Amino acid sequence: NAGVIQTPRHKVTGKGQEATLWCEPISGHSAVFWYRQTIVQGLEFLTYFRNQAPIDDSGMPKERFSAQMPNQSHSTLKIQSTQPQDSAVYLCASSSQDWGADTQYFGPGTRLLVL
Amino acid sequence: QQKVQQSPESLSVPEGGMASFNCTSSDRNFQYFWWYRQHSGEGPKALMSIFSDGDKKEGRFTAHLNKASLHVSLHIRDSQPSDSALYFCAASEHNNNNAPRFGAGTKLTVKP
Repeated sequence: NAGVIQTPRHKVTGKGQEATLWCEPISGHSAVFWYRQTIVQGLEFLTYFRNQAPIDDSGMPKERFSAQMPNQSHSTLKIQSTQPQDSAVYLCASSSQDWGADTQYFGPGTRLLVL
Repeated sequence: QQKVQQSPESLSVPEGGMASFNCTSSDRNFQYFWWYRQHSGEGPKALMSIFSDGDKKEGRFTAHLNKASLHVSLHIRDSQPSDSALYFCAASEHNNNNAPRFGAGTKLTVKP
């Protein structure tokens, strides 16, 4: 079991460029989550898919951020027109159950730096 | 305001000492609580979960939950330098339409 895979591990973009982050959940897991981690804000929830359907995107910034899960084996987080304040570690997690009481398994994260 | 608050922000204990972390919630819908640990350069990893009032012990780790006060704590006895990490509290509701929410974390340093 390779765990949750996130690519790339590091990404540097210029202000105004687009960034796409990839996540491959653990095989068989039905729930996928995206979080953003900064020193100031800690772990912020962004969005959540269950069985590939978007369930809760209440944490997603309304502009420039979008997430998709086109199949059960990967999810993407896209940030358009990146800004310096988007610099953070973006973490993807998956869990196996369809209810609220399941442990999340996190990937190593993608460190995004916007210059 | 974050729904899950943790204290202290940072903690330093000597090797072999006891480390204690606190977590409170402002949302009475939260039913399930976890403690996660994150070493530098890695993603958080689950340490233990606690869903019922009282204590739960796993090796050197003991969690305590008081649902009435929405307070959960974690205690690490005989702390080791390898325990130095960020510790997060997470909470979720019973329904599966809301993702777990995390606190800001407590940074633990165990000094040899």
